[in-house]
Amino acid sequence: DQQVKQNSPSLSVQEGRISILNCDYTNSMFDYFLWYKKYPAEGPTFLISISSIKDKNEDGRFTVFLNKSAKHLSLHIVPSQPGDSAVYFCAASVIELGGKLIFGQGTELSVKP
Amino acid sequence: DTGVSQDPRHKITKRGQNVTFRCDPISEHNRLYWYRQTLGQGPEFLTYFQNEAQLEKSRLLSDRFSAERPKGSFSTLEIQRTEQGDSAMYLCASSFTGTDNQYFGPGTRLLVL
Repeated sequence: DQQVKQNSPSLSVQEGRISILNCDYTNSMFDYFLWYKKYPAEGPTFLISISSIKDKNEDGRFTVFLNKSAKHLSLHIVPSQPGDSAVYFCAASVIELGGKLIFGQGTELSVKP
Repeated sequence: DTGVSQDPRHKITKRGQNVTFRCDPISEHNRLYWYRQTLGQGPEFLTYFQNEAQLEKSRLLSDRFSAERPKGSFSTLEIQRTEQGDSAMYLCASSFTGTDNQYFGPGTRLLVL
């Protein structure tokens, strides 16, 4: 049972435009959500997180939106840069249960110059 | 750099051999997590420690797998009698209780021949 899903395996965007990566979840107990970026042969790098008590969190070019009623979150990258090309994972956790992360399958973002 | 470190970065072994991986977390972090990632998938939770106590183990962690964190600092993950299906990237992450932003190491890539 895939509790966290990223339905788009890949996304291609022009440099300078907005990248929107989507993530859906099924477990209503999740109360903390994170986005990670991963390059090949490296560990995931933390990007941004959001608590379930918020609906938006912004950090520089990265903004995460959470829609609890739809069990959906998205990561917006504006403006996109070629260095953003990587695989992006969303993850969710239940803090009081220890915070283990449940990951989606990832979306490969390609930003073209 | 005081990030999460893992050793070795790569390990090739023959089926049936035992292997051990080490993870050194960020020094002030008291939570340490192990995940496994196979090609095309997101990381999957294996186990986690708070200080030296192992608080949860996934069903993925068969009896051939054992993890320790004897002094609440570094951790080891041992796989006995390795099988070809154990080939994966083994990731370690750490966090400070209360923040739940987990920071990952570079991973150990295991290939079982």
